Amino acid sequence: DVKVTQSSRYLVKRTGEKVFLECVQDMDHENMFWYRQDPGLGLRLIYFSYDVKMKEKGDIPEGYSVSREKKERFSLILESASTNQTSMYLCASSLNLYYEQYFGPGTRLTVT
Amino acid sequence: TQLLEQSPQFLSIQEGENLTVYCNSSSVFSSLQWYRQEPGEGPVLLVTVVTGGEVKKLKRLTFQFGDARKDSSLHITAAQPGDTGLYLCAGASNYQLIWGAGTKLIIKP
Repeated sequence: DVKVTQSSRYLVKRTGEKVFLECVQDMDHENMFWYRQDPGLGLRLIYFSYDVKMKEKGDIPEGYSVSREKKERFSLILESASTNQTSMYLCASSLNLYYEQYFGPGTRLTVT
Repeated sequence: TQLLEQSPQFLSIQEGENLTVYCNSSSVFSSLQWYRQEPGEGPVLLVTVVTGGEVKKLKRLTFQFGDARKDSSLHITAAQPGDTGLYLCAGASNYQLIWGAGTKLIIKP
């Protein structure tokens, strides 16, 4: 059974903290994605990676960075968390950039 | 900017009723995916439609891709409480997926 796991289901951080969200997939997929999901706005792509050490900005990369040192692991970093980054963060992986995406359960991040 | 508009945004109906959710765009997509997301979980793929005019059935769910590959619909027959969730469509274009904002569906027993 395919699986995407995320390091935390719930996270509470203070404004200005550096935040790491980690995602691991066991499907040997080339592509991995980070989205944020807010009510009424759907899924907005933050960054994606199509290979180890390769990354591309999505629609809303400001305030975020990513790291992909190993094929199975894709990390999202909030350099200095702000309250407007309170959201649900979803990680996904796929065999091809527009094939089916497999999602993790999400991390609900609250920044106070 | 490519947009994929879903309607309605929210739908609450009684068990046993039928419903249709729409996904519309002015852009052409090479394929279109429908996902369902339950509370506290990530979206899970229901179906992918590829050919213009294609109709796919998944038990009580019927998915249709428009002839021009710009729009799609999801029809649920005799809705059940287990159908409750957020339904998302995503169109494939230029090596990326364009996501709709979703339809939140509640089926009341």
